[in-house]
Amino acid sequence: EVQLVESGGGLVQSGGSLRLSCAASGFTFSSYWMTWVRQAPGKGLEWVANIKQGGSEKYYVDSVKGRFTISRDDAKNSLYLQMNSLRAEDTAVYYCAREQRGSGGMDVWGQGTTVTVSS
Amino acid sequence: QSVLTQPPSASGTPGQRVTISCSGSSSNIGSNYVYWYQQLPGTAPKLLIYKNNQRPSGVPDRFSGSKSGTSASLAISGLRSEEEADYYCAAWDDSLSGRGWVFGGGTKLTVL
Repeated sequence: EVQLVESGGGLVQSGGSLRLSCAASGFTFSSYWMTWVRQAPGKGLEWVANIKQGGSEKYYVDSVKGRFTISRDDAKNSLYLQMNSLRAEDTAVYYCAREQRGSGGMDVWGQGTTVTVSS
Repeated sequence: QSVLTQPPSASGTPGQRVTISCSGSSSNIGSNYVYWYQQLPGTAPKLLIYKNNQRPSGVPDRFSGSKSGTSASLAISGLRSEEEADYYCAAWDDSLSGRGWVFGGGTKLTVL
């Protein structure tokens, strides 16, 4: 079964750090772009960052540039999001998703992990 | 303020046909594919339409997508109560200020 499972969310103070993980199974992780999408409470979806196979290309939404770092470990079939200098507006459910880059969209999603930043 | 513009709400009765619009610009919808996602209450988003008008395996043919210029739309025919959900459009954006995915603000579909 193709599956993505996020972990690492929690409550953190403003200015703090958190590292999210996404464990992939049921597909060849190293062959896919991967992405993080977040959803603030009661709000819509916001793309956060994505990373190419092998990690040679990475893109970020402007609001997290310089604070968040996306990475992957293909040997461990895992995707990560290191979040530093967290702000209240980073409070959201964070989803990881598999990306069919170029045509297929985000076709597999995890269940999400909740990050709460207290001010 | 989302880069792609969707109506915040839409509604229909069971069996009816409803459409949801999505407006963008030349750097996103105008030059890249459009995708649609369905998010049922309390669940993760699900890919509904890819490459403007293609349906993943398992998505009923009552769902259809179209694109023209810098706008796109999602149509649902034979509306069912279980399709009450939030619907989002998305596209890759190749603007001068940066590249990345952009989403619409979402449309809450109510089945009356």
